[in-house]
Amino acid sequence: GNSVTQMEGPVTLSEEAFLTINCTYTATGYPSLFWYVQYPGEGLQLLLKATKADDKGSNKGFEATYRKETTSFHLEKGSVQVSDSAVYFCALSDYNTNAGKSTFGDGTTLTVKP
Amino acid sequence: EPEVTQTPSHQVTQMGQEVILRCVPISNHLYFYWYRQILGQKVEFLVSFYNNEISEKSEIFDDQFSVERPDGSNFTLKIRSTKLEDSAMYFCASSPMGRDSYNSPLHFGNGTRLTVT
Repeated sequence: GNSVTQMEGPVTLSEEAFLTINCTYTATGYPSLFWYVQYPGEGLQLLLKATKADDKGSNKGFEATYRKETTSFHLEKGSVQVSDSAVYFCALSDYNTNAGKSTFGDGTTLTVKP
Repeated sequence: EPEVTQTPSHQVTQMGQEVILRCVPISNHLYFYWYRQILGQKVEFLVSFYNNEISEKSEIFDDQFSVERPDGSNFTLKIRSTKLEDSAMYFCASSPMGRDSYNSPLHFGNGTRLTVT
């Protein structure tokens, strides 16, 4: 079956530090990959996505590259801000599964201190 | 931008009682989902719904759970006899129909926090 493994948290960084959150996946087909962000008290919202190998998703200074050879989709940001404090979820959707059902990682809590 | 709305935001109920969680998906979306998140951690798939029927469900979605699309806009999750372990945040999500729907991200509501006492 499909699975997503994220680096364990929590992660605490100082403002302007470099961020990497690792994500690797296992899928039976050709998945699309997503990063979702959850701010305190809110639902999940899409941060970025990539739908095929070597695609790079980017948004709000965050980037992730779909690496098929290493089955990875690591999230990076060059300079984090306090407002980036949130829980980040890596997810995949496999065309072999019905109707876009997504499999999520466990989530990584990021705290950015001023 | 259209969004998924969920009501109530917080529901407290006694063990053994029935609860209904309500969702209004984005109007032109045709795939609907319920996910559960316990203790702010893992997001777990419960059920997907398309064309007025369940298309897939997880092992969590046992006989105590049911979903319904009673009209053209609402999508509900019913728990018939709640247990303490049903306490969680329940998220509704929707996505558009299409051959490439698996490429489409899920659009989530802000969730209903269910507390079973």
